[in-house]
Amino acid sequence: SFELTQPPSVSVSPGQTASITCSGDKLGNKYACWYQQKPGQSPVVVIYQDSKRPSGIPERFSGSNSGNTATLTISGTQTMDEADYYCQAWDSSTVLFGGGTKLTVL
Amino acid sequence: EVQLLESGGTLVQPGGSLRLSCAASGFTFSTYVMNWVRQAPGKGLEWVSLISGSGGSTHYADSVKGRFTISRDNTRNTLYLQMNSLRAEDTAVYYCAKTSGGGSYAYFDYWGQGTLVTVSS
Repeated sequence: SFELTQPPSVSVSPGQTASITCSGDKLGNKYACWYQQKPGQSPVVVIYQDSKRPSGIPERFSGSNSGNTATLTISGTQTMDEADYYCQAWDSSTVLFGGGTKLTVL
Repeated sequence: EVQLLESGGTLVQPGGSLRLSCAASGFTFSTYVMNWVRQAPGKGLEWVSLISGSGGSTHYADSVKGRFTISRDNTRNTLYLQMNSLRAEDTAVYYCAKTSGGGSYAYFDYWGQGTLVTVSS
């Protein structure tokens, strides 16, 4: 069955670039999106259809998807970006989430 | 303003049943695919089920198939999740989420605040 794999944790210093990967068999043939979830809050979409940013999401968030890997990139990471991040894709008519990546900014 | 307000979460014994509701406002409810997504304590997101705008098409995660039933009342702008034969592993915060776009383009653009279901004796 189709699965999405994310690293459990990523650390980055403030102002640096953070990259979070999401791997799945031929994921590049599907659309990937990314959600940010802060403690005690509901998820918020930050990237959809591989690389599109919803209104209100800062330009420092970007995405790409090719081959077997989708990547969420946060340029000039800020402390407010510390959160859990989940990738998501569709497989037939069902939805899959990656296991989530805890981004630590320190 | 789009709002999704879940309710119905509570403590229930293993083997019991529960119905969750999600009241929607701020958009044309009947036009959109709606979903339930859950998150066990300290764990990641798990998609549970979706229903088409008309209610005529539904899909479920294997983990809940045959036990949970998703439905909607477009006259009341409300989404439901009937949960039967509940197990300890169903303990989670349950979110309703609105879908934007269609097919593989779709993503969840609005989420409710979640309602906690605890399955325990």
